[in-house]
Amino acid sequence: AQSVAQPEDQVNVAEGNPLTVKCTYSVSGNPYLFWYVQYPNRGLQFLLKYITGDNLVKGSYGFEAEFNKSQTSFHLKKPSALVSDSALYFCAVTADRGSTLGRLYFGRGTQLTVWP
Amino acid sequence: DGGITQSPKYLFRKEGQNVTLSCEQNLNHDAMYWYRQDPGQGLRLIYYSQIVNDFQKGDIAEGYSVSREKKESFPLTVTSAQKNPTAFYLCASSPGPSGQGFYEQYFGPGTRLTVT
Repeated sequence: AQSVAQPEDQVNVAEGNPLTVKCTYSVSGNPYLFWYVQYPNRGLQFLLKYITGDNLVKGSYGFEAEFNKSQTSFHLKKPSALVSDSALYFCAVTADRGSTLGRLYFGRGTQLTVWP
Repeated sequence: DGGITQSPKYLFRKEGQNVTLSCEQNLNHDAMYWYRQDPGQGLRLIYYSQIVNDFQKGDIAEGYSVSREKKESFPLTVTSAQKNPTAFYLCASSPGPSGQGFYEQYFGPGTRLTVT
């Protein structure tokens, strides 16, 4: 079965500092991994994805994520946080085979707060 | 949120009434999805459809029904059998032929349903 864990419900960082939002996954087969962001009372916005190739993936708004197969992780990072980055972040996974192909499995979300 | 519309944004119903949430997409996507979001629980899949006239139950389908008569439309009915229907409901769509899991999902703005 596919699953995602986001071990931190909340992450707090100061503006200008680097941020990391953690995600680990479990899949049967090769993973496809995604990060989304949600602002209050809005839908989810796609940030980036890992399908294959380079382990460091760059996405929207200066975010990047590093795929680590041995640690089954896909942590989201940004070198310098902005107050406007404050939002709810979701990691999601699917696999390249199996009956669940095409559907995403989401983590519970991590609330990121960037204080001025 | 572009390309996927959900209406209405807020919906209020009395207990015991069925209610239908609208989801329309103009992205020519094959696959469509319905999620329920509750605080601290992330996104849970209700139903999904990878092709017109076909759909599959997700993890929490009880008390819900869907139809997929047109490629661009995937309405969700919350029936009176759903024990705790108050939640934020998100619709999503994904491009490509059915079963291609590496495409990201695009989300609508959501409908907040309150049942009293």
